[in-house]
Amino acid sequence: DGGITQSPKYLFRKEGQNVTLSCEQNLNHDAMYWYRQDPGQGLRLIYYSQIVNDFQKGDIAEGYSVSREKKESFPLTVTSAQKNPTAFYLCASSKLDTLNEQFFGPGTRLTVL
Amino acid sequence: AQKITQTQPGMFVQEKEAVTLDCTYDTSDPSYGLFWYKQPSSGEMIFLIYQGSYDQQNATEGRYSLNFQKARKSANLVISASQLGDSAMYFCAMREGTGNTGKLIFGQGTTLQVKP
Repeated sequence: DGGITQSPKYLFRKEGQNVTLSCEQNLNHDAMYWYRQDPGQGLRLIYYSQIVNDFQKGDIAEGYSVSREKKESFPLTVTSAQKNPTAFYLCASSKLDTLNEQFFGPGTRLTVL
Repeated sequence: AQKITQTQPGMFVQEKEAVTLDCTYDTSDPSYGLFWYKQPSSGEMIFLIYQGSYDQQNATEGRYSLNFQKARKSANLVISASQLGDSAMYFCAMREGTGNTGKLIFGQGTTLQVKP
């Protein structure tokens, strides 16, 4: 079955630690995205990538980093520089030729202790 | 400035009745796309419906339809014959322009509760 997987589903981190969230897709989509969602709020774009080895900052990139070494994978690292990292993180992918819907993964809930 | 505005934080609807969720948007780009997503309590985002700015007809997908009023810059979602499983948060989103980024801007969401 084609889709997007994110792992882990729940993640706990101590303050000052970096942590990496995984996102993998087997939809053969060119573009991938990372969003952050705070309770009761909409999604805000952190980073996006349209092609391997290239990515752009979204609206709230500070304290985060990404890589795109393979088309299928777009991991997000939440660094210790992110002041308030506790949130729900969603990864998405889309085709670029049609620019229609983004497909989302199940999300990772990050809690900083 | 808010580009996507959803003015209803919460809505209630009786099972089997229709409900309209409001969405207004702001853009100066003549080419854009509008999306609605459903987010159940489990957290995943489920794509519901899409409307392109040049589409002549309102989009429909099963029980979902999009009431697209371009001059008013509104893209309201209509859910007909509500079901208990429709209880969720609903997000309106916009993609601006024809540039190949696919970036979406999301509204704050509306929580819908369907009453039995």
